[in-house]
Parts: sequence; structure tokens; C-alpha cells
Amino acid sequence: DAGVIQSPRHEVTEMGQEVTLRCKPISGHDYLFWYRQTMMRGLELLIYFNNNVPIDDSGMPEDRFSAKMPNASFSTLKIQPSEPRDSAVYFCASSLPGTSPKFYEQYFGPGTRLTVT
Amino acid sequence: DAKTTQPPSMDCAEGRAANLPCNHSTISGNEYVYWYRQIHSQGPQYIIHGLKNNETNEMASLIITEDRKSSTLILPHATLRDTAVYYCIVRPSFYNNNDMRFGAGTRLTVKP
Repeated sequence: DAGVIQSPRHEVTEMGQEVTLRCKPISGHDYLFWYRQTMMRGLELLIYFNNNVPIDDSGMPEDRFSAKMPNASFSTLKIQPSEPRDSAVYFCASSLPGTSPKFYEQYFGPGTRLTVT
Repeated sequence: DAKTTQPPSMDCAEGRAANLPCNHSTISGNEYVYWYRQIHSQGPQYIIHGLKNNETNEMASLIITEDRKSSTLILPHATLRDTAVYYCIVRPSFYNNNDMRFGAGTRLTVKP
């Protein structure tokens, strides 16, 4: 199993540019999560999907952030326009369907390190 | 949600068992204990979880006290690659809060 795949691994962009982060979850996992990690704020949940449907986007910081999951094997997180304070490591994670404990048994990708200058 | 308390750092000799404690004295009956770790520059990695019985998998063992107020993650034969920050998290058995916010964790350093 390849695990959760994220691309790109590193992204450097200028303020105001659009940034698109990509994620391929583990096959068979029904839940997909987007997180952001910074030194100051730690790991924060941005949004999660169940069967491709967004369930909770209360963690999305503002309208500049949007996420989609067009099918079970692909999701994107878009920032438009990007700002320096968006600089962070963005993680995608997935988990199995089934009993509630499995929801928190999440498998993370390697992350995308975003730097906005 | 129950809060957890972990020592900020620990050292362990390579090949020896690493025992990482976690205090969760306010845990409620429907909350599970989960352990994750994060190796430098990598994503968090799920290790194990349990409710009240001790659990073991290929990575580690989880020992939960009878009163469930504390637990210990055991890495039976620590290697240098086990150097990481280890997080103990308590989450409910139902979906009332989907936040997987990690605390400060324990920074485990495995030394040769």
C-alpha cells in the first residue's frame, strides 16, 4: 500500500498567487482530512470529507481557502489569494469507514511545506 | 474532552524498551486513548489505540490502568528510527468533535 500521497512536497509562491495542494487517500478509506501545522498553532483540522462529501469545514480559516473531493481517490485544497501567514505544512489524512474508533485511526501523508513570500 | 499530560522529553538507549507515560485523569467511559508519533519532517503516524484492555500490535503495546486515568506506550526494542515526538490523545467513541488537535507530546530521543 502506497499510503496517502500528497503533492507537491514543497511549494514556494509569492503573496497573491493561487496555490493548489493535492492528495490521494488510501484506497478504501472513506474519510479524508486536511490539516495545517505550524509551530505557533500546532496541528489544526481544516476540513474533512466522508464519501467525497464535505462534512465539517469549520476549521477553514477564511474564504480564501477551499477544498474539493471530486472522487474517492483525489482531493484538492486551494488557497486563493495566498498570504504569508498561510505558510505552514499542510497534511492530508484518511481513515477507514466503520466503527467510531476507526475515525480517529488516521493515516497521514508526508505533507506539503508551503512558503508564501 | 479529557486532557492529557505527558513529560516533555525522555531518553532511551537503543535496544531497550521505551515506556512513555500519559496521564488522562478526566477521561470518561466512552473515550479511547490513541497514540501517534511524528518523526522530524514527516506526517503524524498512527501507532495504537485502546479503551480499557491492553493492546498490542506490530509497533507497540498500550497498557491502560484499571481506573483508566493513565496509560503507557511501550516500544519493546527502541531503535534510532523511533526518535520522534509521541502524542497521547483522548477521543470519544462517537463523532462529537472531529478535532485531532495534538498537545505538546513527549520528545523521545533514542541514543546509541
